[in-house]
Amino acid sequence: EDQVTQSPEALRLQEGESSSLNCSYTVSGLRGLFWYRQDPGKGPEFLFTLYSAGEEKEKERLKATLTKKESFLHITAPKPEDSATYLCAVRSNTNAGKSTFGDGTTLTVKP
Amino acid sequence: DVKVTQSSRYLVKRTGEKVFLECVQDMDHENMFWYRQDPGLGLRLIYFSYDVKMKEKGDIPEGYSVSREKKERFSLILESASTNQTSMYLCASSGTGDGYTFGSGTRLTVV
Repeated sequence: EDQVTQSPEALRLQEGESSSLNCSYTVSGLRGLFWYRQDPGKGPEFLFTLYSAGEEKEKERLKATLTKKESFLHITAPKPEDSATYLCAVRSNTNAGKSTFGDGTTLTVKP
Repeated sequence: DVKVTQSSRYLVKRTGEKVFLECVQDMDHENMFWYRQDPGLGLRLIYFSYDVKMKEKGDIPEGYSVSREKKERFSLILESASTNQTSMYLCASSGTGDGYTFGSGTRLTVV
């Protein structure tokens, strides 16, 4: 059974204070690892897909990296508008369409 | 801009009512999903569909059914609404191997 564990559960940062969110996973043959951002009361918004260990993707202040066991979402010099819940999900080769989600990390960035 | 549209943003229904939640996507995606999201429980998969007229149970199908008569439309049906089905319901779609595109969600309250 595919599993995703995200840590920490909550993270509070000062504006400009860089940090990382962790996503540990177990999957029987990784088809893809996905990061999403979710604002309160809204549906998650897709950020990145990573397919293989060593791959990196960047978008503004966010950078996602992938190893064989975990992924990190690095946030560089965050701003208050980066405050949200960040979700990680994996999809295995045996479940071509269905993803398994973690419980998320809620990030709060104080000005 | 590609979209997943959920028919209602907020819905209040009475116990015992039959409730229909509609979801439409305009991306010609094969895969469509219904999740519910509750505080502390994360995203839980109710049902998903890989193709027209095809459906598979997710992790919590009890009390729900689905219909997919056309590729772009995936409906979630609460056969007899109960108070423990009060939740945020999220529809999503994806192509094979892609990240999900989520709708804005329907916050359902059963009284």
